[in-house]
Amino acid sequence: AQKVTQAQTEISVVEKEDVTLDCVYETRDTTYYLFWYKQPPSGELVFLIRRNSFDEQNEISGRYSWNFQKSTSSFNFTITASQVVDSAVYFCALSEAGNNNDMRFGAGTRLTVKP
Amino acid sequence: NAGVTQTPKFRVLKTGQSMTLLCAQDMNHEYMYWYRQDPGMGLRLIHYSVGEGTTAKGEVPDGYNVSRLKKQNFLLGLESAAPSQTSVYFCASSYMEWETQYFGPGTRLLVL
Repeated sequence: AQKVTQAQTEISVVEKEDVTLDCVYETRDTTYYLFWYKQPPSGELVFLIRRNSFDEQNEISGRYSWNFQKSTSSFNFTITASQVVDSAVYFCALSEAGNNNDMRFGAGTRLTVKP
Repeated sequence: NAGVTQTPKFRVLKTGQSMTLLCAQDMNHEYMYWYRQDPGMGLRLIHYSVGEGTTAKGEVPDGYNVSRLKKQNFLLGLESAAPSQTSVYFCASSYMEWETQYFGPGTRLLVL
């Protein structure tokens, strides 16, 4: 079965620092989808990005960037010049094409950005 | 569009009581999901539905039942609540399989 590991339970940085959140996944499928969600203190889950297994291009969206490497089964998320509003729990998730209705989440990384 | 809404936002139950959580979406999505979120464990899928009238088990289905009588609604039922079901419950929906799931605001449930 698929598995997602977010080894960093908590990270604390000072505003304007860059920070990388790690995500390592396990799957037997060749077709799969990876996601990142943000859960701010208010509790809702906010979609950030979806990537399929055939698209290894890195993605940049403003201060956010994602590094997908199939060779190391990783899908890491970097926030550049972090801000206090980035404080949240970030979840990485994996959905296999052959088991697509069972999206597996990592345990999450709590990011605290201090002013 | 309201997106995905959940009712109620918070509920306290005594062990053995029953309740139903309601999820509604106005995006005409075929797929709907119920997750529970526990500290340190991320989200785990309870049940899901691939269309009106269909339901299927997820990773942690025991103690829960679901129904999808209308496309826009997905109900999660607890017939006899247990303290182990204390959690935050999230509903989600997606247009198709593999597509992005959009989440509701969550329901915090406390079982005493």
